[in-house]
Amino acid sequence: EPEVTQTPSHQVTQMGQEVILRCVPISNHLYFYWYRQILGQKVEFLVSFYNNEISEKSEIFDDQFSVERPDGSNFTLKIRSTKLEDSAMYFCASGGRVTNTGELFFGEGSRLTVL
Amino acid sequence: GNSVTQMEGPVTLSEEAFLTINCTYTATGYPSLFWYVQYPGEGLQLLLKATKADDKGSNKGFEATYRKETTSFHLEKGSVQVSDSAVYFCALPTNAGGTSYGKLTFGQGTILTVHP
Repeated sequence: EPEVTQTPSHQVTQMGQEVILRCVPISNHLYFYWYRQILGQKVEFLVSFYNNEISEKSEIFDDQFSVERPDGSNFTLKIRSTKLEDSAMYFCASGGRVTNTGELFFGEGSRLTVL
Repeated sequence: GNSVTQMEGPVTLSEEAFLTINCTYTATGYPSLFWYVQYPGEGLQLLLKATKADDKGSNKGFEATYRKETTSFHLEKGSVQVSDSAVYFCALPTNAGGTSYGKLTFGQGTILTVHP
């Protein structure tokens, strides 16, 4: 069964360092998303990506964040200068053509710890 | 935007007990409603969905009925198993329509632990 894969599963970094989280969405999907979950809190939407551009982003997704689909298969989330409050589980998700039901396929998540 | 309120946990049950996890929503129109599940060490998986009022979503013995009168989408299972131990999330699209269907608002999650 097709699945969304994410790497790394866990990354520890120092405050101020750049981090890149990688995702391989399901191959025939067109819509891509990043969500995050700070420990003990809700899963929050960060950004959606369609047709090689950001279609929507949340208030959390400030200038320190960027997304890219560099080669038609990978979908990356970059945090330029990490802060302590960026520590969270980051989930990548993808959706097919018929996303009008909102059904998403999620990866297993990348846990980011900022020290 | 739309919002969802989910029953707080954690919930601890014995095997074969009846499960209810409450979820109520506030929404413009009648968006699709979802239950996602996160098993230990895994990502979020769609458990079931309902796309219109009065629909019943079901999967793996779980059921939830889209009730517009009470704006609820409670998750139920008649006889839980140890393997059902997981975190359960109620969710719906944040906005009505357009290209935002994949932007979901999640409930806070309910941790379910089932003991043998």
